[in-house]
Amino acid sequence: DVKVTQSSRYLVKRTGEKVFLECVQDMDHENMFWYRQDPGLGLRLIYFSYDVKMKEKGDIPEGYSVSREKKERFSLILESASTNQTSMYLCASRPTGSTSNQPQHFGDGTRLSIL
Amino acid sequence: AQKVTQAQTEISVVEKEDVTLDCVYETRDTTYYLFWYKQPPSGELVFLIRRNSFDEQNEISGRYSWNFQKSTSSFNFTITASQVVDSAVYFCALRAIIQGAQKLVFGQGTRLTINP
Repeated sequence: DVKVTQSSRYLVKRTGEKVFLECVQDMDHENMFWYRQDPGLGLRLIYFSYDVKMKEKGDIPEGYSVSREKKERFSLILESASTNQTSMYLCASRPTGSTSNQPQHFGDGTRLSIL
Repeated sequence: AQKVTQAQTEISVVEKEDVTLDCVYETRDTTYYLFWYKQPPSGELVFLIRRNSFDEQNEISGRYSWNFQKSTSSFNFTITASQVVDSAVYFCALRAIIQGAQKLVFGQGTRLTINP
């Protein structure tokens, strides 16, 4: 089974802090994704990555950056956290190539509160 | 536009009732994939089903069934004889090509509550 692990289930940070959310997958997937989930809005894509050192902006990248130094790890960075970034963050991964119709596999989510 | 609409924000039924969750999508692509995910209270999204645009056969998996109709751009999900463990938020999603990249576009989600 694919395992996508997010480092924290709950996180509380203060406004202006630099926040790191970590995600690791164990299936050698090329594609990794970061979403945020807010009530009434579903999941919205923040950033995604096709491979190591590659990153692409999603629909709502403002205020975020990402890092993919190793294939298995995709980090989401809040450069200067703000209260409107309080949300549930979900990481996902998926293989590419001939298996590109495969579903994304999700982690358990990190519920982040910015005070 | 590439869009998924789940018009039902919340549904509440009594155990053993049948319930249908609606999903309507918009896409310009001729080849696309549709998905349903379940998000139980624990938070993780669990993959339920994938359907490609060339396969309009309905699918049944135990108490779950899916009705894909290209003519109405709908991909509805029915739970038969619902159980309390079915309580969750359910998301419909469309895999689409947006700005040259494959992306999943999610609906807003439907919160399903099954009461004992």
